[in-house]
Amino acid sequence: DVKVTQSSRYLVKRTGEKVFLECVQDMDHENMFWYRQDPGLGLRLIYFSYDVKMKEKGDIPEGYSVSREKKERFSLILESASTNQTSMYLCASSLGGLAFQETQYFGPGTRLLVL
Amino acid sequence: KQEVTQIPAALSVPEGENLVLNCSFTDSAIYNLQWFRQDPGKGLTSLLLIQSSQREQTSGRLNASLDKSSGRSTLYIAASQPGDSATYLCAVDGQNFVFGPGTRLSVLP
Repeated sequence: DVKVTQSSRYLVKRTGEKVFLECVQDMDHENMFWYRQDPGLGLRLIYFSYDVKMKEKGDIPEGYSVSREKKERFSLILESASTNQTSMYLCASSLGGLAFQETQYFGPGTRLLVL
Repeated sequence: KQEVTQIPAALSVPEGENLVLNCSFTDSAIYNLQWFRQDPGKGLTSLLLIQSSQREQTSGRLNASLDKSSGRSTLYIAASQPGDSATYLCAVDGQNFVFGPGTRLSVLP
């Protein structure tokens, strides 16, 4: 079974802090994704990566950056957290090829609260 | 810009009923459509992926159909069970990857 893990289930940070959300997958998947999920807005793609050190912006990349130094790990970075970044963050991975044409496997999510 | 809608927003049915969830999208130029389920407070589980060249996919009691020309997909759940209670989301892959808002399903014992 594919396993996607996220470093924290719940996180509380203060405005202006630098925040790292970590995601690890154990199935040698090429593609990895970061989404945020908000009531009334649904899931929105922040960034995705189709290879080590490669990244592509999604629909809402502003205020975020990502890092993929190793194939199994994809980090989402909030350079200076703001209250409007309070959300549920979901990581996903998929096998390879074109990024969205394979089944995506999701982690359990990180619920981030920025005070 | 692709827009994805799902009807109904919420549905409550007695155990054993067959039911249909609907997903509509505005841009028919898609590569594929996926159905997911999400349990409260948890991540998403992929249920079915239909490539644009396919008309339907089946997995156990689930059957998903795709009609690209009309911009519609349906998820059919046969003989519903309380364990099917969850939010069901569709997502389309076209110029970008867009999720629908979901249908919250409750199956009552």
